[in-house]
Amino acid sequence: GQNIDQPTEMTATEGAIVQINCTYQTSGFNGLFWYQQHAGEAPTFLSYNVLDGLEEKGRFSSFLSRSKGYSYLLLKELQMKDSASYLCAAANQAGTALIFGKGTTLSVSS
Amino acid sequence: EAGVAQSPRYKIIEKRQSVAFWCNPISGHATLYWYQQILGQGPKLLIQFQNNGVVDDSQLPKDRFSAERLKGVDSTLKIQPAKLEDSAVYLCASSFGGYSGNTIYFGEGSWLTVV
Repeated sequence: GQNIDQPTEMTATEGAIVQINCTYQTSGFNGLFWYQQHAGEAPTFLSYNVLDGLEEKGRFSSFLSRSKGYSYLLLKELQMKDSASYLCAAANQAGTALIFGKGTTLSVSS
Repeated sequence: EAGVAQSPRYKIIEKRQSVAFWCNPISGHATLYWYQQILGQGPKLLIQFQNNGVVDDSQLPKDRFSAERLKGVDSTLKIQPAKLEDSAVYLCASSFGGYSGNTIYFGEGSWLTVV
């Protein structure tokens, strides 16, 4: 079957580092996406991994292990504006479907 | 660059009524998607178009939902008749190609409440 698992909620303080984990099972695999979604807004693209390893983009990094069906999003130097839902999504092999997890709600406090 | 446009932004209808949502994708994007996002869950794909052809509509409840993209640009999603469980945000998204490494851009969504 197809399934994406990620924690429901996480909390952290300003300036800290947080890692949001995601495990996936899809019919074939063609890349792993991370999206950020603020309450009442559309998801916005953060990162895309298709090869194993770490992709760094400013304060955000994303890691992928295809053999383990595992990814994480790493957020450094947390800011209050990082409080949002973070969606993990995996593309199937044909590239015809994107399966989203339920999202991880991150709350950043001062 | 203009983003994905959707309307209406909010809609409240009674069950068994009908509703239609409109989407205008980013210029030049051949692929258009409609997602349903129920509160507290991730988006679920309803239908995917490549130009004006349907690529995937396996999760579209075809007894009540329909979608079209007649000229390969704008798209409409219709629900008739609506049920209480259709209360959700309907997100339109577009990309240059399919999912293979192409960034998918979402509109702000159309919020539907069925009472």
